[in-house]
Amino acid sequence: AQSVTQLDSQVPVFEEAPVELRCNYSSSVSVYLFWYVQYPNQGLQLLLKYLSGSTLVESINGFEAEFNKSQTSFHLRKPSVHISDTAEYFCAVSSSASKIIFGSGTRLSIRP
Amino acid sequence: NAGVTQTPKFQVLKTGQSMTLQCAQDMNHEYMSWYRQDPGMGLRLIHYSVGAGITDQGEVPNGYNVSRSTTEDFPLRLLSAAPSQTSVYFCASSLRTGANVLTFGAGSRLTVL
Repeated sequence: AQSVTQLDSQVPVFEEAPVELRCNYSSSVSVYLFWYVQYPNQGLQLLLKYLSGSTLVESINGFEAEFNKSQTSFHLRKPSVHISDTAEYFCAVSSSASKIIFGSGTRLSIRP
Repeated sequence: NAGVTQTPKFQVLKTGQSMTLQCAQDMNHEYMSWYRQDPGMGLRLIHYSVGAGITDQGEVPNGYNVSRSTTEDFPLRLLSAAPSQTSVYFCASSLRTGANVLTFGAGSRLTVL
C-alpha cells in the first residue's frame, strides 16, 4: 500500500525568505510523485511532478522538488517566497495502474 | 471544453437524508475519483474508477456508493447522510492512472445537520 506523509501542517515564513515543505512517501513499487497547490477559495492545480529521469523538477513559478529514492522523500523548495505563494500545498503519490493518494497538506503563510 | 463539472456547489442535508453529488468530464478520461477535504486531514480518497463499469474503494469508502455506467459520469451517492460527512468534496479525473495529472472540479460543500 502507498502512503504519503507531510511532516508540517503549517509553515510560516517571511516574504523573500527560503522555504522547504517536506514530503515522505512509502511504496513497494516505483512511484510517480506530484505537488499540487490550492490557493485560497480555489480548487487544486498541479505545481510540479516527477515521473522519471532527472530527480530535480521545477515549476514555472520558481518552486523545485527533488526525488530522493533512498530517503523516500520529495521535498518542495523555493529560494525566495512571495505573498502570492500563500496557499495549501499537497504532496501526492501514485504508481502505474493504481489510485492516487494525497498527504494531509501544508499550509504556507507568508508574512510581509 | 468544460473540464470536470461538479454539481451542486453547496448542499445542506439533514441526518438520514440521501443525495447524489454529480461529476461529469468531457475529456474522455479513463480515471475518475472522489476525494473529501477536511481541515488537517488533507484529501482523502473515497472511491475511484479506472474505466466504465469498474469502481474500487479508496481510503474512506464507508457511507458512500459510486457507479460508472459511462466514461463521462461518476456520481457519488450518500445513502443516509451523517454529520461526519460534512466536508468539501472534489471530483478529479485523468487520462489514465499513474503518471497522468489530475484535473479537479471546483468542489461541492456539503453540510449535514
